[in-house]
Amino acid sequence: EPEVTQTPSHQVTQMGQEVILRCVPISNHLYFYWYRQILGQKVEFLVSFYNNEISEKSEIFDDQFSVERPDGSNFTLKIRSTKLEDSAMYFCATGQGENQPQHFGDGTRLSIL
Amino acid sequence: DQQVKQNSPSLSVQEGRISILNCDYTNSMFDYFLWYKKYPAEGPTFLISISSIKDKNEDGRFTVFLNKSAKHLSLHIVPSQPGDSAVYFCAAESYNFNKFYFGSGTKLNVKP
Repeated sequence: EPEVTQTPSHQVTQMGQEVILRCVPISNHLYFYWYRQILGQKVEFLVSFYNNEISEKSEIFDDQFSVERPDGSNFTLKIRSTKLEDSAMYFCATGQGENQPQHFGDGTRLSIL
Repeated sequence: DQQVKQNSPSLSVQEGRISILNCDYTNSMFDYFLWYKKYPAEGPTFLISISSIKDKNEDGRFTVFLNKSAKHLSLHIVPSQPGDSAVYFCAAESYNFNKFYFGSGTKLNVKP
């Protein structure tokens, strides 16, 4: 069964540094998403991306965050200047549109020191 | 943001019996609902979904029920197996908003 693949599985970064989290979507999916889960809390929506642009974003997704699909395959989340509170599991999900299940990768654990 | 709530953080069930996981929502614009299962160190895995035009959807041992008037959905697992032990999340989507709202999860433990 096709999968969403995320790399790295764990990223440790100093506060203030930039990080890039990568995701390889399921090949026929056109909608891409990032979610995060802070330890002990809910899975929270960050951003959705379709047709090479952001279709929706949450209040969490401020100017420090950006997404792109630079080469037509990888879907990336960049955090420009990381803060301690950015420590969380970041999940990439892909899907075929509204009223369709989203399929999640296994996540990247981001630890900010 | 408490639009989707799972009020039971944990549930323990004997193998072979029924597991019932519950979820409540507040936003009447939600029209698509899903259940995901999550093991430690893995991402959520899609289990089953239901559209708001239905009140029941069944897939093998898993059945989801939707009560729109009560803004409540439930997941029934019959019979429960030890391999079902995981955290179960309900999620909801509203028409024209391409994102899921998740509940906080219920940890199911199926005892052999």
